[in-house]
Amino acid sequence: ETGVTQSPTHLIKTRGQQVTLRCSSQSGHNTVSWYQQALGQGPQFIFQYYREEENGRGNFPPRFSGLQFPNYSSELNVNALELDDSALYLCASSDGKAIGNEKLFFGSGTQLSVL
Amino acid sequence: GDSVTQMEGPVTLSEEAFLTINCTYTATGYPSLFWYVQYPGEGLQLLLKATKADDKGSNKGFEATYRKETTSFHLEKGSVQVSDSAVYFCALSDNFGNEKLTFGTGTRLTIIP
Repeated sequence: ETGVTQSPTHLIKTRGQQVTLRCSSQSGHNTVSWYQQALGQGPQFIFQYYREEENGRGNFPPRFSGLQFPNYSSELNVNALELDDSALYLCASSDGKAIGNEKLFFGSGTQLSVL
Repeated sequence: GDSVTQMEGPVTLSEEAFLTINCTYTATGYPSLFWYVQYPGEGLQLLLKATKADDKGSNKGFEATYRKETTSFHLEKGSVQVSDSAVYFCALSDNFGNEKLTFGTGTRLTIIP
C-alpha cells in the first residue's frame, strides 16, 4: 500500500474527447509526477508538479495538462484524445526531499482506452 | 537524451535458478540508477537503487552494482522464487532538480515451481 490512489481504474473514451484522470497523494507529499505507460513499454515521464506549479515536462504535446491542488490531489487532463493515447497512466508522489527518488510512491494507475 | 536499455523478455526460469537481467544506460552527468518491480494489478515499487559509481543496491535477495565504466546496472538474484514473478524495470534519474525517471521497456519474469 503506497498511499497513492488513482481514479478511475479504467476508462473508455472515443477519439477527440477530453479526459480527466485523478490522483490522491499521501498527506505532506508536495510533488506529483505523471507517467504514460503504453502496452509492453516502460513508463514515460509526462510532467511533474511541485507546490502547484509545473516543474519539468517530458516530450508530450500541450494537450496534456495538469493541475495540483493544496489538498494533495492532482489531475491529468488530456484534450483531443488520439488512439495512441491508449495507455496506463501512473501518478507518483513524494515529499520533495527525495535523494535518488527513494521516497517516490506510485499509484496503481488508470487504464485509458481510446476507441 | 537519457536512455535505458534492458534485455528483452520474457524470461522464464525454474524456482531456485540464478537470475540476471541486463541493463545499460546512456546519460549525461552522474545519474542515479534504480530497479522497479511491477506485480500484476499493482503500481511500481522501488526494488533497489544506487546513487554513485560502484555502489551496490540490494533488497529481498536482489542486487545490482552501478558500473560507470560499462554504463551498466545488471539485476541479479542467486535463487529465485515463484513470488518473484513480475515485470522489472531499470530506470535512471538525472538528478537535475526534478524527480523525472527514464525507464527501460521492462522485462517480464516468470518463475516456474
